[in-house]
Amino acid sequence: QKEVEQDPGPLSVPEGAIVSLNCTYSNSAFQYFMWYRQYSRKGPELLMYTYSSGNKEDGRFTAQVDKSSKYISLFIRDSQPSDSATYLCAMSDANNNDMRFGAGTRLTVKP
Amino acid sequence: NAGVMQNPRHLVRRRGQEARLRCSPMKGHSHVYWYRQLPEEGLKFMVYLQKENIIDESGMPKERFSAEFPKEGPSILRIQQVVRGDSAAYFCASSPASGEKLFFGSGTQLSVL
Repeated sequence: QKEVEQDPGPLSVPEGAIVSLNCTYSNSAFQYFMWYRQYSRKGPELLMYTYSSGNKEDGRFTAQVDKSSKYISLFIRDSQPSDSATYLCAMSDANNNDMRFGAGTRLTVKP
Repeated sequence: NAGVMQNPRHLVRRRGQEARLRCSPMKGHSHVYWYRQLPEEGLKFMVYLQKENIIDESGMPKERFSAEFPKEGPSILRIQQVVRGDSAAYFCASSPASGEKLFFGSGTQLSVL
């Protein structure tokens, strides 16, 4: 079993839809949770960063962490074609020495 | 304020040659991380360095791969005697301190012929 599991998709939705992306993990030492967006042939770009259970909102993006279930989610409201990218979840322990990434979910938002 | 700079953007090598990948962290960042990414796969941690020190190299193959982050100049990921299986995108990230957010460069795409 991988430390971080993420459905690779691909996921295709119409413009304006609500998108839900999820990851599960097995290592209870993970304290920091992140979502990165990666466009084709580009480096990952940090979208959301959180270290506690609960919800964190930033514009159309909401990150949700449930440490008891070892489950994190990213919700995208009113999705736009420009949101089409690969979304990677990432998590690390308190020292952040060895951040673990999910395989990434490829999202396409169709106009 | 320039971001994390990686070069070259693309690198083509024949089997048996050496590959050198360079990474200049963001200004003020003294922590550098190297990751490898294969198509349809996530980022795999390779090595974590601070200035002049390797902190964690648990993700880096014991042979042919080495990394450094000298007092002056960029961090270098060096792959000796490359093989076709080394073909991948190599990403560098930096942070100002341990536990802080990572900022990634645009990567170096290594192709081994």
